[in-house]
Amino acid sequence: DSGVTQTPKHLITATGQRVTLRCSPRSGDLSVYWYQQSLDQGLQFLIQYYNGEERAKGNILERFSAQQFPDLHSELNLSSLELGDSALYFCASSRYTGVDEQYFGPGTRLTVT
Amino acid sequence: AQSVTQPDIHITVSEGASLELRCNYSYGATPYLFWYVQSPGQGLQLLLKYFSGDTLVQGIKGFEAEFKRSQSSFNLRKPSVHWSDAAEYFCAVARGSQGNLIFGKGTKLSVKP
Repeated sequence: DSGVTQTPKHLITATGQRVTLRCSPRSGDLSVYWYQQSLDQGLQFLIQYYNGEERAKGNILERFSAQQFPDLHSELNLSSLELGDSALYFCASSRYTGVDEQYFGPGTRLTVT
Repeated sequence: AQSVTQPDIHITVSEGASLELRCNYSYGATPYLFWYVQSPGQGLQLLLKYFSGDTLVQGIKGFEAEFKRSQSSFNLRKPSVHWSDAAEYFCAVARGSQGNLIFGKGTKLSVKP
């Protein structure tokens, strides 16, 4: 158990809908990273927050957004969902920003039908 | 741009045999390298990391990896594989000061009894 929690574990929704994925980092960790894992693209970095502020952006679509709250939990919002958004979404946390060990949550499996 | 290549998509070894998983990276400066393992339906677990110093690093579960700058490689090794090691293994490089990870496509390890 990494100490990173993600909810829900599974999500099935229809095209065009909007969903919110939630992540709670390990106790004491200030950085939260979001990654997407799909069969064709592999594991890709989406976005990073550190202590409530956005720090880095990767291959995140404009339809996707995220935020980190004062209690340090983070939410990833996916809107206007398409079939191609079906994937496993991971959250990872680390103590600091910059290069550091990242601890991954169990992931949320999103299926768009 | 940074990249990570794992040349072997799938490897099968017999239980008790030695293991080496290959990883090559492309990065201009000193790389920060990681190996993660993902069991079916699970998140990613950090096995080991290389930041600097001794080029042979020890990790959890009896794994080790050797950083070879001249070959741009960071291969993962284990002297004797157990059936519980069957999983997918990902090599990753941290992107500069931002810390987000760039992953290889992964190597799936199967273990024969």
